[in-house]
Amino acid sequence: QKEVEQDPGPLSVPEGAIVSLNCTYSNSAFQYFMWYRQYSRKGPELLMYTYSSGNKEDGRFTAQVDKSSKYISLFIRDSQPSDSATYLCAMSRSTLGRLYFGRGTQLTVWP
Amino acid sequence: GAVVSQHPSRVICKSGTSVKIECRSLDFQATTMFWYRQFPKQSLMLMATSNEGSKATYEQGVEKDKFLINHASLTLSTLTVTSAHPEDSSFYICSARGGEGIDEQFFGPGTRLTVL
Repeated sequence: QKEVEQDPGPLSVPEGAIVSLNCTYSNSAFQYFMWYRQYSRKGPELLMYTYSSGNKEDGRFTAQVDKSSKYISLFIRDSQPSDSATYLCAMSRSTLGRLYFGRGTQLTVWP
Repeated sequence: GAVVSQHPSRVICKSGTSVKIECRSLDFQATTMFWYRQFPKQSLMLMATSNEGSKATYEQGVEKDKFLINHASLTLSTLTVTSAHPEDSSFYICSARGGEGIDEQFFGPGTRLTVL
């Protein structure tokens, strides 16, 4: 079993839709949970990170972590065509620990 | 965020040749740099962690004699793929850590390697 599982999609939604992206994991030692956005042929850029369980909101983006279920989510409200990218979840045991990535979900928001 | 550059952005080479990829932190010093490999529609897989002035730590299954990593300064790390073969064709991404925060690791734009 892979440490981090993520449905690769692709996911295609109309502009303005609410997007839900998810990952599951198996290692209960993970404490930091990140979401990265990666445009085609570019490196990932950090969108949000959360420590332990809970919610975190930043503009149109909300990250949720449920450690009891080993399940994390990223919600995008009022999605825009510029949100079209691959979204990768990543996890770590500590701030200095290595990152474990999901496969990424390819999202397309069409006008 | 801080900027990490990679050079070249893409390279095509013949089987058996060696290819060097550079990773630079442009506006910060990075004591630790990471090298990842990403196959199409797959996750980033950590290949090795390098600390400035010391030998790189390779992940299990990564051949250290094939993927030579040098981290000679606080702003530069290089990955050399020796005797490249078609199965080495992939997207290689570096990242650099500028501090101890989880949000202080920055990724380069990646290098697309194609081995003919």
